[in-house]
Amino acid sequence: ETGVTQTPRHLVMGMTNKKSLKCEQHLGHNAMYWYKQSAKKPLELMFVYNFKEQTENNSVPSRFSPECPNSSHLFLHLHTLQPEDSALYLCASRSGQGKETQYFGPGTRLLVL
Amino acid sequence: GESVGLHLPTLSVQEGDNSIINCAYSNSASDYFIWYKQESGKGPQFIIDIRSNMDKRQGQRVTVLLNKTVKHLSLQIAATQPGDSAVYFCAENIAGSARQLTFGSGTQLTVLP
Repeated sequence: ETGVTQTPRHLVMGMTNKKSLKCEQHLGHNAMYWYKQSAKKPLELMFVYNFKEQTENNSVPSRFSPECPNSSHLFLHLHTLQPEDSALYLCASRSGQGKETQYFGPGTRLLVL
Repeated sequence: GESVGLHLPTLSVQEGDNSIINCAYSNSASDYFIWYKQESGKGPQFIIDIRSNMDKRQGQRVTVLLNKTVKHLSLQIAATQPGDSAVYFCAENIAGSARQLTFGSGTQLTVLP
């Protein structure tokens, strides 16, 4: 256990559905991240939040909408996704106090039909 | 752009042997490096890190070596065990990059009985 939890662990959705991914960190960290992991590719950074403020949007399509209500929770709202969005979505957190190490959750395996 | 890469996508070793996983990086401004282990169905797990002012760091059964001259990073696993089978990837922090990590695509380590 890394102290970062994600729900659901698996999600199947149609292209017209709306769903949300949830991440919670119990580490007292101040920075949280969303990554996309596709087969045989490096992790792709999607969004970064520092102290609840979005500091990075890595050219992510608007069908992905992040929300960070507090430093412990991070959501990724999904709507009208495409089949190529099927991937493992990973949440990570970082202390934010001069330390670069990121700690990851188990991920949500998303399949878009 | 510059990115972290790996020499080999797969590595098979006999149980009990030592494993060496390599990583090449191209950004001379990288000042911090991390090795992660990702088992099937799980999120990446922190193994060991090293700062650029060091050339070697040891953990429990793992050693990370950093050669800044040739921009090369390696992870050595002593007495490899079946539980070490996973994808291993390195990540680098580029100084001044707002604490963002750049990830390699990973090496699949398989431990043979």
